[in-house]
Amino acid sequence: AQSVAQPEDQVNVAEGNPLTVKCTYSVSGNPYLFWYVQYPNRGLQFLLKYITGDNLVKGSYGFEAEFNKSQTSFHLKKPSALVSDSALYFCAVRDMGNSGYSTLTFGKGTMLLVSP
Amino acid sequence: GAGVSQTPSNKVTEKGKYVELRCDPISGHTALYWYRQSLGQGPEFLIYFQGTGAADDSGLPNDRFFAVRPEGSVSTLKIQRTERGDSAVYLCASSQGSLAGGPLNEQFFGPGTRLTVL
Repeated sequence: AQSVAQPEDQVNVAEGNPLTVKCTYSVSGNPYLFWYVQYPNRGLQFLLKYITGDNLVKGSYGFEAEFNKSQTSFHLKKPSALVSDSALYFCAVRDMGNSGYSTLTFGKGTMLLVSP
Repeated sequence: GAGVSQTPSNKVTEKGKYVELRCDPISGHTALYWYRQSLGQGPEFLIYFQGTGAADDSGLPNDRFFAVRPEGSVSTLKIQRTERGDSAVYLCASSQGSLAGGPLNEQFFGPGTRLTVL
């Protein structure tokens, strides 16, 4: 089975400061990892993904995430937060070891609030 | 627009009624997914279509839930004898190809249908 944990319900950061949204995962094989963002009354938007290769993945809107296999983590980061980054962020995983057509398992989400 | 669209955006129904939720995927996307998102939770997988066939329906909670995609494009999620616990936002996503065969293919989500069962 595959699972994702986002230990923080909410993250507060001041504009201009760096931000981190945490994600840990559990899979039986190698993971595919994704981050999505959800704005109010809008669908989830893809930010970035890790499939293989460099552990530091760069994505949309200046976000990046670092894959750490030993810690089974895929934390989302941004060097300088913007008020407009305030939204709900979801980490998701797919187990490469699964055969068939298994899909993504999402975490419960972390609300990011960036204050002016 | 070129994105995934879902109708209606909101649906209020009474317990025991039948509802249909529609999803129009991105043109050319062969894979289509339905998720259910309850308040305070992440999306939970319901069913996945590759073309016209349901490749994985392991997420459907019970036999009151059914989905079709007869022509490999538009999909309809059908819920019979609705219960208050069915209240949630139902999300549809599409992607190019399957996750099994195309692991690089991220899913593009629609805005969702908010279902409220009174």
